[in-house]
Amino acid sequence: QVQLQESGPGLVKPSGTLSLTCTVSGTVISSSHWWSWVRQPPGKGLEWIGEIYHSGSTKYNPSLKSRVTISVDKSQNQFSLDLRSVTDADTAVYYCATDTPIADWGQGTLVTVSS
Amino acid sequence: QSVLTQPPSVSGAPGQRVTISCTGSSSNIGAGYDVHWYQQLPGTAPKLLIYGNNNRPSGVPDRFSGSKSGASASLVVTGLQAEDEADYYCQSYDSRLSAVVFGGGTKLTVL
Repeated sequence: QVQLQESGPGLVKPSGTLSLTCTVSGTVISSSHWWSWVRQPPGKGLEWIGEIYHSGSTKYNPSLKSRVTISVDKSQNQFSLDLRSVTDADTAVYYCATDTPIADWGQGTLVTVSS
Repeated sequence: QSVLTQPPSVSGAPGQRVTISCTGSSSNIGAGYDVHWYQQLPGTAPKLLIYGNNNRPSGVPDRFSGSKSGASASLVVTGLQAEDEADYYCQSYDSRLSAVVFGGGTKLTVL
């Protein structure tokens, strides 16, 4: 069973950069999976942010592409999310997950954008 | 506004049957891309309920079933139980956006 755990600051200032890391256990990140980030604003629906393959290939949501970078660190069995120039609209629970169809999810971490 | 359209809410009494629709277009469901369904209980991460239009992962009761026709898909829950009260999301891929897309979600209330 693949397990995923998000970590990172729970509070980010407007115009700053949101940075989260997902630690993968139960499998090696350089297996066949793509690795995803999904977010959910409070009381709203799910939004796919993007995904990365262990080779470093990435796919991003066009609506966020200009502000997002997803990277992978195979030595640490982790992948990461950077979201730049954040506003309060980026306040959400951020989930790391396996690729679609998503069978394995992290527990999610709430990131609040506020001064 | 979501690329995949779901009703905001549906409801049913225990034991009844409910259907949740997911309407897309020619660039996603209608283009032949698979539809997946997720169940999200309050305060928890989503759980994969149906994958590949009509397949249940191990452990998902056979009260849950999925189907797809044209540019739409449906999730059917039979023998409704109180524990089924949750939010349900459909997911597919959109070739025009080159992105994974979710429906807006449907809140299922068990009366």
